[in-house]
Amino acid sequence: DVKVTQSSRYLVKRTGEKVFLECVQDMDHENMFWYRQDPGLGLRLIYFSYDVKMKEKGDIPEGYSVSREKKERFSLILESASTNQTSMYLCASSRRDRRPKTDTQYFGPGTRLTVL
Amino acid sequence: SQQGEEDPQALSIQEGENATMNCSYKTSINNLQWYRQNSGRGLVHLILIRSNEREKHSGRLRVTLDTSKKSSSLLITASRAADTASYFCATNNYGQNFVFGPGTRLSVLP
Repeated sequence: DVKVTQSSRYLVKRTGEKVFLECVQDMDHENMFWYRQDPGLGLRLIYFSYDVKMKEKGDIPEGYSVSREKKERFSLILESASTNQTSMYLCASSRRDRRPKTDTQYFGPGTRLTVL
Repeated sequence: SQQGEEDPQALSIQEGENATMNCSYKTSINNLQWYRQNSGRGLVHLILIRSNEREKHSGRLRVTLDTSKKSSSLLITASRAADTASYFCATNNYGQNFVFGPGTRLSVLP
């Protein structure tokens, strides 16, 4: 079974702090993703990565950055946390299928971040 | 951009009844997937249906896809209390990333 783990289930930080959320997958997946989930808005893609040291902006990258130094690890960084970044953060990974493209995503348990 | 939209937003049924959730989307898709999320947890993949398929089954789940209407439905038969969760559809548009809808909250009452 694919396992995607996230460094914390719950996190409380103060406005202006630098926050690191880490995600590790153990299935040698090429693709990794960071989403945030807010009530009524579903999941919104923040950043994704198709390979080591590669990153692409998703739909809402502002205020976030990412790092992928190793294939199994994808970190989300909040450079200066703000209260509007209080949310549930979900990491996911998938294989890079070419034909057909399926990309079933496997999710971690999520990190509920509160910024005070 | 919001692609998949689930309907209804919330659904309450009695154990043993069937639950039907719908998903509508706006653009062409390569495939559509349904995921389940238990309260406060990550999403779990349930089933994938490709654009050239019309119906797919997995255990008590049945998914249909109507590309002419740009809609899909997820049917859970003989529901159980353990089926209580939020259900999301996610659409994939050839080479693009998945787009998730806001979800349907299903409550199955014992």
